[in-house]
Amino acid sequence: DAGVIQSPRHEVTEMGQEVTLRCKPISGHDYLFWYRQTMMRGLELLIYFNNNVPIDDSGMPEDRFSAKMPNASFSTLKIQPSEPRDSAVYFCASTYRQGYEQYFGPGTRLTVT
Amino acid sequence: KNQVEQSPQSLIILEGKNCTLQCNYTVSPFSNLRWYKQDTGRGPVSLTIMTFSENTKSNGRYTATLDADTKQSSLHITASQLSDSASYICVVRSGTGGFKTIFGAGTRLFVKA
Repeated sequence: DAGVIQSPRHEVTEMGQEVTLRCKPISGHDYLFWYRQTMMRGLELLIYFNNNVPIDDSGMPEDRFSAKMPNASFSTLKIQPSEPRDSAVYFCASTYRQGYEQYFGPGTRLTVT
Repeated sequence: KNQVEQSPQSLIILEGKNCTLQCNYTVSPFSNLRWYKQDTGRGPVSLTIMTFSENTKSNGRYTATLDADTKQSSLHITASQLSDSASYICVVRSGTGGFKTIFGAGTRLFVKA
């Protein structure tokens, strides 16, 4: 298996623009997670899905952020409109079952100018 | 308040030496504790996971310990290698169900030749 795949790896955009990050989890994994990592705040869980259904989105910072999982092999995290404080590395991770190891993707480094 | 604190913030050691990283937590109820290794520019990779009843767990040259009474964990690295240079993140999962996890800020380890 290729592992968790994220795209793009790097994204530079201007404030106010819409940004869409993409993730393909490991096949057969029922849980998918979106994380954000910054120097100031470290790693933060934004939202996670189980069987394509959002279970806990309490970590989503505000309404500008939205996430979808239309099928078991694809998820998106959208920021609209983007702001400079959204600059961070966004990770997607997946796991087979609660309590099992989470496998992280390589991350998307987002820079909002 | 649920917190995970790691020390030191950063550490420099010579190749071949041993080192120990610390993690103190106040998460309650406790479910499990993981140590992750994160290489620069990559996603975290799980090293060990320990539940309440486990005191020690090893993964090659990495040995994690857990004292659930004092709410402390340590990660010991034996015979360090240049490839051990990375951030090490302690993550505690709450036993309240779901994936309520609290991340430490990490320890940045530099191994010098």
